[in-house]
Amino acid sequence: SQKIEQNSEALNIQEGKTATLTCNYTNYSPAYLQWYRQDPGRGPVFLLLIRENEKEKRKERLKVTFDTTLKQSLFHITASQPADSATYLCALDASGYALNFGKGTSLLVTP
Amino acid sequence: EPEVTQTPSHQVTQMGQEVILRCVPISNHLYFYWYRQILGQKVEFLVSFYNNEISEKSEIFDDQFSVERPDGSNFTLKIRSTKLEDSAMYFCASRHQGQNYEQYFGPGTRLTVT
Repeated sequence: SQKIEQNSEALNIQEGKTATLTCNYTNYSPAYLQWYRQDPGRGPVFLLLIRENEKEKRKERLKVTFDTTLKQSLFHITASQPADSATYLCALDASGYALNFGKGTSLLVTP
Repeated sequence: EPEVTQTPSHQVTQMGQEVILRCVPISNHLYFYWYRQILGQKVEFLVSFYNNEISEKSEIFDDQFSVERPDGSNFTLKIRSTKLEDSAMYFCASRHQGQNYEQYFGPGTRLTVT
């Protein structure tokens, strides 16, 4: 069956450092991969989408890589700030353009 | 900036009762979705809706669930006879069209079944 794995343990980093989150998947050949941010009690918020033919995508302090051979995506936040503290979700396309989400990785950025 | 809205924000109901969760997607979006998130678990897909019909549904979306787009703006999820295990956050999402695959989520409705 299709699986999406994200680091289950929370990631704690110091303000100003780069946070790197990992998303691994199995039994999938996704056309694209998305990253969302979720704050407690709130809906997911779209951050970035990367397509299967793209190696890297950037948006301001965010960078996503997509390695279809390793079946892995890395999500980087550079110059992290306490306001970046949230849960970050990896999502792959399912049938009907629905999204299949990973469990998410909680990021805590401390001053 | 346009956003997806959902009402109510919190719904408490007794087991066996019917509930209707309401959503207003972004106005020029054509694809609509319902997801749910049980406390502490991942966001799970329920159903997708396009061109006034269901385009895909998950195993969770059984005969107790139904969706409707009664007019040009609202999109509803009905649970006919709620069970304790239906307690969750329910998120509505919408997507534009073509190759714009990103989805825009509403703030959610917290459903508590007692």
